[in-house]
Amino acid sequence: DVKVTQSSRYLVKRTGEKVFLECVQDMDHENMFWYRQDPGLGLRLIYFSYDVKMKEKGDIPEGYSVSREKKERFSLILESASTNQTSMYLCASSRGTNNYEQYFGPGTRLTVT
Amino acid sequence: GQSLEQPSEVTAVEGAIVQINCTYQTSGFYGLSWYQQHDGGAPTFLSYNALDGLEETGRFSSFLSRSDSYGYLLLQELQMKDSASYFCAVRGYGGSQGNLIFGKGTKLSVKP
Repeated sequence: DVKVTQSSRYLVKRTGEKVFLECVQDMDHENMFWYRQDPGLGLRLIYFSYDVKMKEKGDIPEGYSVSREKKERFSLILESASTNQTSMYLCASSRGTNNYEQYFGPGTRLTVT
Repeated sequence: GQSLEQPSEVTAVEGAIVQINCTYQTSGFYGLSWYQQHDGGAPTFLSYNALDGLEETGRFSSFLSRSDSYGYLLLQELQMKDSASYFCAVRGYGGSQGNLIFGKGTKLSVKP
């Protein structure tokens, strides 16, 4: 059974803080993704990675960076958190070219005050 | 631009059949996926259509017409546990392996 875990379920940070969101998958998937989900907007892709040390920008990368030092771990970094980054953050992984079937973590609800 | 359109809300009664439509306009198209998300939960994969036609998985079926840029998810014998949000997602040309572009979701409420 594929398992994607995220470091925190809920997180509250102050404006300007550096925030790290961690994601780990246990199925040896090549591909990992970070999305944010906001009411009425669906899921929007922030960054993705198809291999270790590799990263590509998604649709809304501004204000974010990522790190993938190990195959199973994909980190999302908010360099200087702002209130408009208050959102639900979802990590996902998929195998090889099967990007249509992604496995999601439980999400981290981040509030920036 | 890229867009996916699906109804924001649908209500149906237990035991009924409901169809959730999705129309898309994207720069590239490999296929159409459907995901289910219960309140407070993670999205889970339901189905994928790369070719025209109907794919059936138990009570759920998904249909695709590439020429019409249209697909739908059909849920039969509705149960209360089917109350959830349903997202269509186009696998487009983003990234080397085709990233997903998600619709805004359809909230399905199943009434007794």
